[in-house]
Amino acid sequence: DTGVSQDPRHKITKRGQNVTFRCDPISEHNRLYWYRQTLGQGPEFLTYFQNEAQLEKSRLLSDRFSAERPKGSFSTLEIQRTEQGDSAMYLCASTDRASNTGELFFGEGSRLTVL
Amino acid sequence: AQTVTQSQPEMSVQEAETVTLSCTYDTSESDYYLFWYKQPPSRQMILVIRQEAYKQQNATENRFSVNFQKAAKSFSLKISDSQLGDAAMYFCAFPSMDTGRRALTFGSGTRLQVQP
Repeated sequence: DTGVSQDPRHKITKRGQNVTFRCDPISEHNRLYWYRQTLGQGPEFLTYFQNEAQLEKSRLLSDRFSAERPKGSFSTLEIQRTEQGDSAMYLCASTDRASNTGELFFGEGSRLTVL
Repeated sequence: AQTVTQSQPEMSVQEAETVTLSCTYDTSESDYYLFWYKQPPSRQMILVIRQEAYKQQNATENRFSVNFQKAAKSFSLKISDSQLGDAAMYFCAFPSMDTGRRALTFGSGTRLQVQP
């Protein structure tokens, strides 16, 4: 296993278009997180899955954002009607322990540019 | 809101010297973990070191150690014998109530430059 993988690595889209990002966690990890990181800032928590259940969502996750993790394996993050303010790096992380005690393993991120 | 504050946006250190990165946090919890993560340019974030709040002893991982002051809610990272590969963004993090303690809240980061 090569770690957490994210696809695509880069996405350029026009305002108003929909985009979808995929995250494949480390295979034995049952916990999966999405974060958003803007330039020069720390990651901001978006949402958390334990297996297929979405257990926590940030206030940052507006109704234009939706995340799924069918069958508790890979996850997708969809942004509808993108806005320029959505331009950021979207990071996925996974772990086999609660993140409040254990190490998170991050992917390299999906960079979104909204024109 | 529970927060994590890193007051040093950028730091610079000479190779082989020691540097300390600062972090303060706010929580009403008594038992928690604190983390330092490293994000090299264009590479994924990795865990540097972890501290359990109920442990008196400061955590150490090779050249990396922490100075944990629970009463002051301070959690600084010391890097000894700095190497060029240490150049990166460093983020302090802890599981705040803002995320229901289910996820980590990160500070804004400190960019560390290592001068040869």
